[in-house]
Amino acid sequence: SAVISQKPSRDICQRGTSLTIQCQVDSQVTMMFWYRQQPGQSLTLIATANQGSEATYESGFVIDKFPISRPNLTFSTLTVSNMSPEDSSIYLCSVVVRGRTDTQYFGPGTRLTVL
Amino acid sequence: GENVEQHPSTLSVQEGDSAVIKCTYSDSASNYFPWYKQELGKRPQLIIDIRSNVGEKKDQRIAVTLNKTAKHFSLHITETQPEDSAVYFCAGHNAGNMLTFGGGTRLMVKP
Repeated sequence: SAVISQKPSRDICQRGTSLTIQCQVDSQVTMMFWYRQQPGQSLTLIATANQGSEATYESGFVIDKFPISRPNLTFSTLTVSNMSPEDSSIYLCSVVVRGRTDTQYFGPGTRLTVL
Repeated sequence: GENVEQHPSTLSVQEGDSAVIKCTYSDSASNYFPWYKQELGKRPQLIIDIRSNVGEKKDQRIAVTLNKTAKHFSLHITETQPEDSAVYFCAGHNAGNMLTFGGGTRLMVKP
């Protein structure tokens, strides 16, 4: 597996502001993903973070709201823009480790509360 | 796209009993089915997975079965213990490396 860290672990933000979440992995990974987990719910894929190019977004998620960067093989950021209380969620990154074609490992998550 | 349904949404068992969680999937091209355990406030942890070329896999008290024809797979936990209490998620994985998750099952093991 891989050691995955996320910053911040939690934050409380005012509506209309933006928050950038960082995901760092200790080894090279082939794929990185961002998920949202609303309170008491399952995990929903937001987008695939592509190294050096635009992320691939799932239906219902757009780049203007959730811009994503992935400048190298071990680091990605997700920004939640112009936040509203409906954005209150846990945001998790996941990775596919090099040598494993499909198994995803999750970061610890960022708990976001928007007031 | 893939649709994964999971049942039951909650499951309460007595310590020492078995627990079974069932999932169905819609995309016949899906070829990999992981199960994750998520304790309160923690990240989802992979506990077992199965690929479409096998029908069953066991790891100590945990087993997973897959029926490709019927497009369903199940998680079996034997001799349940209080520390098995958590939310369990099944997922289906297609050729695009995307995971689609089931809705989750909250398992409660009563001592």
